[in-house]
Amino acid sequence: EIVLTQSPGTLSLSPGERATLSCRASQSITSNYLTWYQQKPGQAPRLLIYGASNRATGIPDRFSGSGSGTDFTLTISRLEPEDFAVYYCQQYGSSPCSFGQGTKLEIK
Amino acid sequence: QVQLQESGPGLVKPSGTLSLTCDVSGGSISNSNWWSWVRQTPGKGLEWIGEIYHSGITNYSPSLKSRVTIAVDKSRNQFSLSLTSVTAADTAVYYCARMWESGSFDSWGQGARVTVSS
Repeated sequence: EIVLTQSPGTLSLSPGERATLSCRASQSITSNYLTWYQQKPGQAPRLLIYGASNRATGIPDRFSGSGSGTDFTLTISRLEPEDFAVYYCQQYGSSPCSFGQGTKLEIK
Repeated sequence: QVQLQESGPGLVKPSGTLSLTCDVSGGSISNSNWWSWVRQTPGKGLEWIGEIYHSGITNYSPSLKSRVTIAVDKSRNQFSLSLTSVTAADTAVYYCARMWESGSFDSWGQGARVTVSS
């Protein structure tokens, strides 16, 4: 099973700042099947980025994904108030599907 | 836009069986998609339980495989989860989700909170 490790656990930033979130895999992820989600309290996860770098429908272009192999990054170029949430990475290049433990993005 | 909705008991007794159903609307469950169950706990975060294709082919998490059954009912456009011999560790919010591009989940139910307690 591929273990995904996200860092940092908590990121404290202000609106307008740039956020960089990391997801590291214990093995190379096949076909870059790496996905990023945003989750707010009481809500289901929301798809942001699929295939490591493709924005899902309706996702603002301030969200971008990059990386390959074992190291992946989610970047939010300029934080808006609604961006403060928990972010998860997930892989399904290899079975079983697995999720990272999440990064909490909080207002500084 | 496909929508998913979980339903089922919110309270299950220890050693009992957890049973949930996911109703799919706005699209056919027989389209070329895999349909999954994912759960979330404060301690373990998001955990994939397993998936099913409309043909009935299933894949399960190795850690839960001995206790899980996922089934599909094409006539009702729904799929279901059964988890046997539950303990307090199975207390979680259970989500159903549709697999989309590159192994991602693009549509999720709102979640069903299930507590295991006597």
